[in-house]
Amino acid sequence: NAGVTQTPKFQVLKTGQSMTLQCAQDMNHEYMSWYRQDPGMGLRLIHYSVGAGITDQGEVPNGYNVSRSTTEDFPLRLLSAAPSQTSVYFCASSYSTGISDNEQFFGPGTRLTVL
Amino acid sequence: QQQVKQSPQSLIVQKGGISIINCAYENTAFDYFPWYQQFPGKGPALLIAIRPDVSEKKEGRFTISFNKSAKQFSLHIMDSQPGDSATYFCAACSEGTGGGNKLTFGTGTQLKVEL
Repeated sequence: NAGVTQTPKFQVLKTGQSMTLQCAQDMNHEYMSWYRQDPGMGLRLIHYSVGAGITDQGEVPNGYNVSRSTTEDFPLRLLSAAPSQTSVYFCASSYSTGISDNEQFFGPGTRLTVL
Repeated sequence: QQQVKQSPQSLIVQKGGISIINCAYENTAFDYFPWYQQFPGKGPALLIAIRPDVSEKKEGRFTISFNKSAKQFSLHIMDSQPGDSATYFCAACSEGTGGGNKLTFGTGTQLKVEL
């Protein structure tokens, strides 16, 4: 199993450009999520999904869109990039959608810089 | 507003010593408390987790102590080794509005174990 994969690993955008961060998992996990990691702020939840066709907002959803058309894929879209979105983005998945015993498996991350 | 407060921000421990990282929370809806370990350039990985009906959980050299009345929990790393040098995040899990779960992370502790 490849686990959770993310592409690209690095990306530089100009303000106002759009792009999609890709995330895929091959573990048949129902739960998938996106986090951003900024120095001194830990990881903050952007959006999450409990199954195909079901998504919900996390702590910092503004400026980001998601959709979940398949169990395997959970792309994150930036419609109009801003410098404040410069961050490292992590995708994660877990077998359980419940509160407990829901070990999340993280991808390797995408480092995004918005100029 | 940080819902999960973590301290210290950084920690230096001698090999063989005990590393202690503390976290505190306010939201009583949190019902599961995992700790994640992250090495540079990698995504976080689950280290150990505890439910609020348990006061202590031990796995090898890693122990979580949980004080529900004080809304505090801590990670103890016994016999700390240079390979334990990493960033540690406490987290707290609550139910999402649309089902599923939402993880709220602390700001992280950068641990360095010196020889």
